[in-house]
Amino acid sequence: DGGITQSPKYLFRKEGQNVTLSCEQNLNHDAMYWYRQDPGQGLRLIYYSQIVNDFQKGDIAEGYSVSREKKESFPLTVTSAQKNPTAFYLCASSIGVSLTDTQYFGPGTRLTVL
Amino acid sequence: AQKVTQAQTEISVVEKEDVTLDCVYETRDTTYYLFWYKQPPSGELVFLIRRNSFDEQNEISGRYSWNFQKSTSSFNFTITASQVVDSAVYFCALSEAWNSGGSNYKLTFGKGTLLTVNP
Repeated sequence: DGGITQSPKYLFRKEGQNVTLSCEQNLNHDAMYWYRQDPGQGLRLIYYSQIVNDFQKGDIAEGYSVSREKKESFPLTVTSAQKNPTAFYLCASSIGVSLTDTQYFGPGTRLTVL
Repeated sequence: AQKVTQAQTEISVVEKEDVTLDCVYETRDTTYYLFWYKQPPSGELVFLIRRNSFDEQNEISGRYSWNFQKSTSSFNFTITASQVVDSAVYFCALSEAWNSGGSNYKLTFGKGTLLTVNP
């Protein structure tokens, strides 16, 4: 079945450690996104990628980094520079970044920094 | 700047009641899209509907219906005869260009409405 997978579902890390969240899609979508969700808040865009080897900062990119070496994969690294990394992270993909393109989401990764 | 407001933080109903979730948006664009997503307790966002700014016809899909009124910048979502499985957080989102005249678009989400349907 086509879809978006994120792993792991739950992740615990010590403060000061970098951590990488995985996102894979087999929908043949060009565009991929990372969002952060905090309790009682909407989703905020961290980074997005229109196409392989290209990515752009979203609204809250500080303390995060991404790569897009393959069309199917868009890993997110939460660095030690991110001051409040504990959150729920959602990955999404869409055919493109045009107005009409619908984003489809993965199951999310809940990161807790101890 | 665009903005999406979901004024209802939480709603609680009893099964079989009808419930309407409100969404009000602000945008300077004349062409835009509006979306509704459902986030059940499992966490994944599930796409429900997409509506463009030129189509104000109401849409019905089973127990779900959407009322888009451009004059009041609202895109409300009604669930008829609610069921326990409808319990979730519902997000309204607006798609518009990153920059004026740009070709890249992003979604701006409201803060969501937590709907609890009690048996």
